[in-house]
Amino acid sequence: LAKTTQPISMDSYEGQEVNITCSHNNIATNDYITWYQQFPSQGPRFIIQGYKTKVTNEVASLFIPADRKSSTLSLPRVSLSDTAVYYCLVGDGGGADGLTFGKGTHLIIQP
Amino acid sequence: DTGVSQDPRHKITKRGQNVTFRCDPISEHNRLYWYRQTLGQGPEFLTYFQNEAQLEKSRLLSDRFSAERPKGSFSTLEIQRTEQGDSAMYLCASSRDRGPDRYEQYFGPGTRLTVT
Repeated sequence: LAKTTQPISMDSYEGQEVNITCSHNNIATNDYITWYQQFPSQGPRFIIQGYKTKVTNEVASLFIPADRKSSTLSLPRVSLSDTAVYYCLVGDGGGADGLTFGKGTHLIIQP
Repeated sequence: DTGVSQDPRHKITKRGQNVTFRCDPISEHNRLYWYRQTLGQGPEFLTYFQNEAQLEKSRLLSDRFSAERPKGSFSTLEIQRTEQGDSAMYLCASSRDRGPDRYEQYFGPGTRLTVT
């Protein structure tokens, strides 16, 4: 069971690039890395998913080094509305082992 | 289809009463998940279904909790003899079971349970 470790909280300012790193030292060969965003009183929302190297979509980039023991979610030019909790999950999509959210990283964006 | 829906959105009950929540997943999704979330914590996995089959249950799911997904469509989560510790947000999510987007869960708005 791949366990993840993230910073509890981070602060940044509008317009900055924010990088949130997740450690997953015992990631398995078949595991993918998935990130979710959650606002208060809402369910989590999928952001991005990757297996290795770099993945980019319209809202974020995900950087995964060759050893895959960590991953970094990059949010370009953040705004106040990016204030949320961000969760990193690791699993192979085949069962509940990839469904552990942890406490996530509370990102606070200031003006 | 507009997404995952849950009903009710809020439920207040007295300790010892039974409650039932409903989740309607995205129609083409054959996986359905239940989570529980308390203040300041991430969602905790409770159970999940592949079509109508309940494949895994967390140790958090005591014998007072039961979930069903008849015909592989909507799902219900019942809590019997509620306790104050059951107060939480109950989240439902759905996803496909294959393909590159099988890791992408779509969450409903949740049902907030308060046990008094």
